[in-house]
Amino acid sequence: DGGITQSPKYLFRKEGQNVTLSCEQNLNHDAMYWYRQDPGQGLRLIYYSQIVNDFQKGDIAEGYSVSREKKESFPLTVTSAQKNPTAFYLCASRGQGADTQYFGPGTRLTVL
Amino acid sequence: AQTVTQSQPEMSVQEAETVTLSCTYDTSESDYYLFWYKQPPSRQMILVIRQEAYKQQNATENRFSVNFQKAAKSFSLKISDSQLGDAAMYFCAYRSWGSGYALNFGKGTSLLVTP
Repeated sequence: DGGITQSPKYLFRKEGQNVTLSCEQNLNHDAMYWYRQDPGQGLRLIYYSQIVNDFQKGDIAEGYSVSREKKESFPLTVTSAQKNPTAFYLCASRGQGADTQYFGPGTRLTVL
Repeated sequence: AQTVTQSQPEMSVQEAETVTLSCTYDTSESDYYLFWYKQPPSRQMILVIRQEAYKQQNATENRFSVNFQKAAKSFSLKISDSQLGDAAMYFCAYRSWGSGYALNFGKGTSLLVTP
């Protein structure tokens, strides 16, 4: 099946630890995105990448890092510098020239 | 950045009735895309409908249609013949031609469907 997968579904982190959220797509999409969702809020853009080995900061990039070594993969690392990382994280992708983003199922991160 | 406003935090509709969710946005661009996404309790974001700004005709997808008023910067979603499965959070989103075509989202409207 074609689609976007995110893992794990739930993730728990102790304060001071870095954690990496996985996002993989087999849709042959060029562009990939990471969004953060907090209760009562819409989604906010963390990072995006339009091609391999290139990515750009979004509105709330502080405390996060990404890489794009393969077209299919766009992992997000939540670093200890992120002051309030507990949130729901959504990955999305978009085909070249297409107008619509498609979303993965999300990862719920909780800091203990 | 473009601002998207959904002024109705919660809405309720009876099964088989029609409901309209409101969305306004702020932009200086003349061409852009607008979207409605649905987020059920599973939290999967599902595309409901999209509209390109230069197209005058309002988009329609089965029971879902939009009322796009470009001059007023308004983009409302009408759900006809509401079903229990329509219960979800609905997000309005704006896509410009910059920032890698990333989306700006409103805060969402929670739709409750009653039998």
